[in-house]
Formats: sequence, structure tokens, C-alpha cells
Amino acid sequence: DSGVTQTPKHLITATGQRVTLRCSPRSGDLSVYWYQQSLDQGLQFLIQYYNGEERAKGNILERFSAQQFPDLHSELNLSSLELGDSALYFCASSRLGREGRDTQYFGPGTRLTVL
Amino acid sequence: DAKTTQPNSMESNEEEPVHLPCNHSTISGTDYIHWYRQLPSQGPEYVIHGLTSNVNNRMASLAIAEDRKSSTLILHRATLRDAAVYYCILRDEDNAGNMLTFGGGTRLMVKP
Repeated sequence: DSGVTQTPKHLITATGQRVTLRCSPRSGDLSVYWYQQSLDQGLQFLIQYYNGEERAKGNILERFSAQQFPDLHSELNLSSLELGDSALYFCASSRLGREGRDTQYFGPGTRLTVL
Repeated sequence: DAKTTQPNSMESNEEEPVHLPCNHSTISGTDYIHWYRQLPSQGPEYVIHGLTSNVNNRMASLAIAEDRKSSTLILHRATLRDAAVYYCILRDEDNAGNMLTFGGGTRLMVKP
């Protein structure tokens, strides 16, 4: 158990809909990261938040957005969903999120299926 | 971050040592070498990391070549639970974003 929790575990929805994925980082970790894992693209970094502020952005679509709240939990919002958004979405956390040595701890993921 | 090259897959027998290679010929002086693994149906998990010297922890050992252009993750006695995809990732000490850039990794299969 990494200490990172994600809800829900599974989500099935239809095209055009909007969903929210939630992540609670390990106690004391200030940084939260979101990754997407699909069969054709592998594991890809989407976005990072550090202590409530956006720190880095990766291959995140404009239809997707995220935020980190004062209690440090984070939500990833996916809107106007398409079939290609079906994937595993992982959240990770780290103590600082600044140094190349900072270890990331991953949650169990949310499996999103768009029908 | 600089690129890494790993074999797509490797096979090992249970209770034998496994050496997982990683090439990173364009590594820079401030790049740390990290290894993560992803067990089936789970999120990635940290295994080990190093900069220049060889490193050991309870999970594995990391052997780094003198010129740092390659490294090897060593599992001393593979178990069935070690079957996973292993990712070798370079991360710059000064990586302001600290994100992980995953490649294809090596799928390790462990035979009983």
C-alpha cells in the first residue's frame, strides 16, 4: 500500500459526458501528479500540482483540467469525453516535487471506460 | 530528460538472479537513474535510484557503469511476484517539474 488513494476504482460513462477523478496523496506529500496509461500510448504524464499551484504540464488535453485543494487532495476533471479517453488514470504524490531524486508514490488508479 | 533503451522483454527462472539492462548514452552529469516497476493491475512503484555509485536496498541492487552510459538493475533471487514491467528513467537533478517520463520498459516474466 503506497498510501495514495484514488476514487473511484472504476468508472463507466458515455461519450460527451464529464467525470471527476479524485486523489488523496500520502500524508505530508505536497506534490500530486496525474498520469494516463492507455494501450497505445503507454504511461504519460499529464499535470503536476505542488502545494495548490500548478507546477508542470505534460500532454494534457484542453478538455481536461485539474486542481489541488488546501487539504492537498487533487481532482482531475475530464469533459466532453471521447472513446479514446478510455484509459487507466494514475495519481502519484511526492514529498516536494522539485528535485530529480524525489520519489513518487503511485495510487492504484482509476479505470475509465467511455462507451 | 535523456532517453533510455531497454529490451522489450526478458525471462527468468524463479529463485535465480535477474539482470535488467538499461542504456542511456546521452545521460548528463546531473541525471539520476531511477527504476520503477509496474506489477499487473497496479500502479508503478519505486524500486531504486542512483547517481554514480552502485546502490543496494531491500528490493534490488543498481549497478552503474563507470561512464554512466548504462546501468543494470539486479534482482538477486527472482520470485513470481517480481513479474512486472520494469522502467529505467533518467531524471535531472534540476528537473523543476519532477515528472517521470516512462518509456516502454522491460516486461520480466518469471518461470516457476
